[in-house]
Amino acid sequence: GDSVTQMEGPVTLSEEAFLTINCTYTATGYPSLFWYVQYPGEGLQLLLKATKADDKGSNKGFEATYRKETTSFHLEKGSVQVSDSAVYFCALNNQGGKLIFGQGTELSVKP
Amino acid sequence: GAGVSQSPSNKVTEKGKDVELRCDPISGHTALYWYRQRLGQGLEFLIYFQGNSAPDKSGLPSDRFSAERTGESVSTLTIQRTQQEDSAVYLCASSRERLQEAEQFFGPGTRLTVL
Repeated sequence: GDSVTQMEGPVTLSEEAFLTINCTYTATGYPSLFWYVQYPGEGLQLLLKATKADDKGSNKGFEATYRKETTSFHLEKGSVQVSDSAVYFCALNNQGGKLIFGQGTELSVKP
Repeated sequence: GAGVSQSPSNKVTEKGKDVELRCDPISGHTALYWYRQRLGQGLEFLIYFQGNSAPDKSGLPSDRFSAERTGESVSTLTIQRTQQEDSAVYLCASSRERLQEAEQFFGPGTRLTVL
């Protein structure tokens, strides 16, 4: 069945460091890909998405590119801030219906 | 506008009791989803509704779990004879349509603790 694998956390970075969180997927067909974020004490919210190969999703300085050849959707940010500390979830949706999530990666950014 | 709401926010119950969790989706959203997040784990899909019907119940872990949706609005997830392994945060989400590219909007969750 379809699945998502993302790098394990926690990831600890200093402010202004470069961030990469790896995400790879297994799916038949052409799923849509998502990054959701859960800030401390808040609910899960969409960060960005891409719906077809080579699309780039971007929001709040974060980017991810849908790479079908490597079945990947890695999340990147050039300069993280303390306020980016959160848990990040990679997910896919194939043919509508349920989201399939990765395990989540906790990011902690230190001043 | 109002987001997805869930009640109660916290529920502590004794093993063997039944519990009901409620979800109010965003008005006009036809698709509604239930997920579970156990401590230290990712989100597991439980069930989704398109309108009032449930085309995919594949994630329900046992026959102790059931869900219904009425009037294309409120949904209730019922867990009968709760077990300690049912302890988790139960999340509800809704989307405007059942499309694979559609954003799902999540509620704050119900934290269930089974003693």
